[in-house]
Amino acid sequence: GAVVSQHPSRVICKSGTSVKIECRSLDFQATTMFWYRQFPKQSLMLMATSNEGSKATYEQGVEKDKFLINHASLTLSTLTVTSAHPEDSSFYICSAREGGPTEAFFGQGTRLTVV
Amino acid sequence: GESVGLHLPTLSVQEGDNSIINCAYSNSASDYFIWYKQESGKGPQFIIDIRSNMDKRQGQRVTVLLNKTVKHLSLQIAATQPGDSAVYFCAEMDPGTYKYIFGTGTRLKVLA
Repeated sequence: GAVVSQHPSRVICKSGTSVKIECRSLDFQATTMFWYRQFPKQSLMLMATSNEGSKATYEQGVEKDKFLINHASLTLSTLTVTSAHPEDSSFYICSAREGGPTEAFFGQGTRLTVV
Repeated sequence: GESVGLHLPTLSVQEGDNSIINCAYSNSASDYFIWYKQESGKGPQFIIDIRSNMDKRQGQRVTVLLNKTVKHLSLQIAATQPGDSAVYFCAEMDPGTYKYIFGTGTRLKVLA
């Protein structure tokens, strides 16, 4: 299957700082990328959908000013958690899809811990 | 839809036996479905997909069954191995937005 690389895999940051997570499609062009958040022993919660070159679409309840998403190229999307707080600690996962109704491939996830 | 605050159901299977993991989906108009496997601390891994014009699809040691009448999806794993231990999620694609809606997940434990 296609490869999606997410970086970093783990990050610890201080409360009030910002953290950027990168998601790259390595062997295909991702017209659409998704960002998810996952709490322990729970399913994936979609945060936002980003299409290359356009603004991300956020799910209800997700603060777009807190979770900044940029999808500037067909192989890279970034999620920046701004002014992070301990309640933002979670497992963040990206996925990428080449076209319309096809399979999406996931990155390895990023474990964010805010102290 | 999304699940919040629910604990994962667990299926325990003896090594070598077949596993059947079930999933109910929400939208009768959904026409594309995927099963993912997620190991601890990792992102989900694509296993197999199926479109609504089919009711069965087979892969290597895995079979997905789709029953549109009752909006039910199942994943069958033949000759379950210790490496199959993981959490399994089904996902349906919203036909309007092309977003994926994940089920609650099932933890598969393979007993030696």
